[in-house]
Amino acid sequence: EADIYQTPRYLVIGTGKKITLECSQTMGHDKMYWYQQDPGMELHLIHYSYGVNSTEKGDLSSESTVSRIRTEHFPLTLESARPSHTSQYLCASSEYGTANTIYFGEGSWLTVV
Amino acid sequence: QKEVEQNSGPLSVPEGAIASLNCTYSDRVSQSFFWYRQYSGKSPELIMSIYSNGDKEDGRFTAQLNKASQYVSLLIRDSQPSDSATYLCAFHSGGYQKVTFGTGTKLQVIP
Repeated sequence: EADIYQTPRYLVIGTGKKITLECSQTMGHDKMYWYQQDPGMELHLIHYSYGVNSTEKGDLSSESTVSRIRTEHFPLTLESARPSHTSQYLCASSEYGTANTIYFGEGSWLTVV
Repeated sequence: QKEVEQNSGPLSVPEGAIASLNCTYSDRVSQSFFWYRQYSGKSPELIMSIYSNGDKEDGRFTAQLNKASQYVSLLIRDSQPSDSATYLCAFHSGGYQKVTFGTGTKLQVIP
């Protein structure tokens, strides 16, 4: 079983507020990811990291930013939340290598009103 | 051409039948293949991974990989209503390449 944790699980916040979604994993994985998924829709990769001080933009453009200062921690920040940011955000991690199974956290549901 | 193609469904099968889910991919150097199950409102969870051509069985699940034809499939035997979910295929090319997910096939098992 994967040990990857996301907080908060559910967040309702007003437009213009700054939010940070936390993600931590205890498996020592080098790779970490953020996906965005609307209900019933496909996964979209918005950020990924191959290790400390490494961050890359994903396939879907996002106004969010990420940082990777420690191996186990990969927070996502929105400086000014808008209703269009309402979605589920899934954090994931994997080891480097061909096996590369991705393990997902339980997700953070963000609603911007 | 999309990197990963899956029929979005829904695929409806009666309880006890075999459900067959298919996925094709375009990247010929792909090395690792995965099937994930995602229940509504939940995060994806890994069902099976497969790396070599042929079949891999795990309980009621069988993954089949054909690299020459660039497809991977998932068979679910004795389908149960609890198998009703969206099934995502994914592949990885190795090294620093990211994992690519398909759009998912929604499976409905009818009691």
